Amino acid sequence: AQKVTQAQTEISVVEKEDVTLDCVYETRDTTYYLFWYKQPPSGELVFLIRRNSFDEQNEISGRYSWNFQKSTSSFNFTITASQVVDSAVYFCALSGPFGNEKLTFGTGTRLTIIP
Amino acid sequence: DAMVIQNPRYQVTQFGKPVTLSCSQTLNHNVMYWYQQKSSQAPKLLFHYYDKDFNNEADTPDNFQSRRPNTSFCFLDIRSPGLGDAAMYLCATNNPPEKGGSTEQFFGPGTRLTVL
Repeated sequence: AQKVTQAQTEISVVEKEDVTLDCVYETRDTTYYLFWYKQPPSGELVFLIRRNSFDEQNEISGRYSWNFQKSTSSFNFTITASQVVDSAVYFCALSGPFGNEKLTFGTGTRLTIIP
Repeated sequence: DAMVIQNPRYQVTQFGKPVTLSCSQTLNHNVMYWYQQKSSQAPKLLFHYYDKDFNNEADTPDNFQSRRPNTSFCFLDIRSPGLGDAAMYLCATNNPPEKGGSTEQFFGPGTRLTVL
């Protein structure tokens, strides 16, 4: 069985602060994929990043960075110099190896950036 | 732009009155998914189509049905909506790696269903 835990239900930070969203996962698959999605108030889920289980390289994309640590089953997401437009619910998700399976989502972290 | 489109964005129905939600895609993806997302919860997969093959999740109620008449369109039918079916319904698509795609799913904007 797969499980994703996002222990932080809500986070508020002042604009320009850095913030890290935590994600811990459980799976029995040896090959799996991890994702982060952003859900703004409009409701659409916006894909941010995919990481496969064999690639533990950290990734940076602009103000966003991701830290994947297989040893601790964690896939954390950091936003540096946060902006008001970053306010949203962020979901971490997990899938198996085949690409036509369900995404198992965490419960999400609601991030509020205070101007 | 290639995209996933859901109509309508907001749907109001009456208790017990059948309702159909629509999803279309211009991405030519093989797989189409329907997720239900209740307020302040994570999306939960109801079922998906891999081409014409229908895959139902074990805990999806019989009240929920789906049709995929062609590659581009997929419908979600709720035969007798109850108050507990009020939710956001999200359609997603992807091509699995074996079809030359990748594993991330691309979501439409969702249809928010209200049941009176």
